[in-house]
Amino acid sequence: DGGITQSPKYLFRKEGQNVTLSCEQNLNHDAMYWYRQDPGQGLRLIYYSQIVNDFQKGDIAEGYSVSREKKESFPLTVTSAQKNPTAFYLCASSTRTGGVPGANVLTFGAGSRLTVL
Amino acid sequence: GDSVTQMEGPVTLSEEAFLTINCTYTATGYPSLFWYVQYPGEGLQLLLKATKADDKGSNKGFEATYRKETTSFHLEKGSVQVSDSAVYFCALREGGSEKLVFGKGTKLTVNP
Repeated sequence: DGGITQSPKYLFRKEGQNVTLSCEQNLNHDAMYWYRQDPGQGLRLIYYSQIVNDFQKGDIAEGYSVSREKKESFPLTVTSAQKNPTAFYLCASSTRTGGVPGANVLTFGAGSRLTVL
Repeated sequence: GDSVTQMEGPVTLSEEAFLTINCTYTATGYPSLFWYVQYPGEGLQLLLKATKADDKGSNKGFEATYRKETTSFHLEKGSVQVSDSAVYFCALREGGSEKLVFGKGTKLTVNP
């Protein structure tokens, strides 16, 4: 079955450590996204990528980094510069919209919960 | 910039009650509108969508109508079930943009 796999599901980090969250998709989607979810805050966009070897900052990119070396993979690194990293992180993918209304239907992974000790 | 405002939760209903979750939006053009649902411990799933004014999206008994005159996309269901307990997110995408903008989510709990 096609889908998005995020790992690990739960992750604990000590302050000052970098951690990397994995996101893999086998949907042949061009676009991939990382969102952060906090209680009462909804989803906030961290980074997105529309094509291999290219990515753009979202609304809250500070303290995060990404890479897109393969179409299927879009890992997120939470660096020690991120002041408050404890959150639920969601990866998503979609076909590129090409300007077609309603075409940007996101498929989400099950999420990774990061806790800083 | 574009934004989505949803009614504050949590919402608690009894089984078979009528559900409305309000959603209004601000956008410069003519966005596409979406409702996503998140069940406990999971990612989000698309529930329904509408791409132009007066379109009605529907799925699993849920409906929402794109109202341009009131910039709204309220979610309704005539008779909720316990299995509908989840967090519901309204979202928009401006034409030409690859990004979705989400509301803050509304948690629904349905009691037997």
